[in-house]
Amino acid sequence: RKEVEQDPGPFNVPEGATVAFNCTYSNSASQSFFWYRQDCRKEPKLLMSVYSSGNEDGRFTAQLNRASQYISLLIRDSKLSDSATYLCVVKWNGDNFNKFYFGSGTKLNVKP
Amino acid sequence: DTEVIQTPKHLVMGMTNKKSLKCEQHMGHRAMYWYKQKAKKPPELMFVYSYEKLSINESVPSRFSPECPNSSLLNLHLHALQPEDSALYLCASSQDVGTGDYQPQHFGDGTRLSIL
Repeated sequence: RKEVEQDPGPFNVPEGATVAFNCTYSNSASQSFFWYRQDCRKEPKLLMSVYSSGNEDGRFTAQLNRASQYISLLIRDSKLSDSATYLCVVKWNGDNFNKFYFGSGTKLNVKP
Repeated sequence: DTEVIQTPKHLVMGMTNKKSLKCEQHMGHRAMYWYKQKAKKPPELMFVYSYEKLSINESVPSRFSPECPNSSLLNLHLHALQPEDSALYLCASSQDVGTGDYQPQHFGDGTRLSIL
């Protein structure tokens, strides 16, 4: 079983739409959670951390459900520039190391 | 300064060559990582350095040899690579080791490696 699972998509949505991605993780001891965005042939860039109480950054809202072990990302009023692959990342803190587990990514295409 | 700097941006090498990839950060981060990424796949962890010591090696073939000369620098030495090693190699760093919830990784923009 993979540590982090995501629907690969693609999600094809019109501009202005609201779209939501979910991600599940298997290790209940995971301690922190992130969404990254990756454009084609570029490096992953941090979109937002995901806090237990949920958090919002402009058009983006992230939620964490520890009991069910899933994380979500909601994008409102989609823009063409939101087209990218969205990576769910789960961090586990060992005694003397950190390890980040990546989902396979969800591809979003926002169409005019 | 929130940058992770990788050099070179592109590298083409033959299977008998020896080359090195370099990564530098000046954010005071104590953990540094090497990832390999193939097209349409997520980054795949290769090595983790914590406080300049190798803490994770994900069963990477010995033709890849990491080195951490100091807390700001991370190298990946390459020797006798195979065509299937062609990929984007990403370096990342994070602030804390073993603690510090919500401290994310910061990525460099990668070295695109092609093996002929």
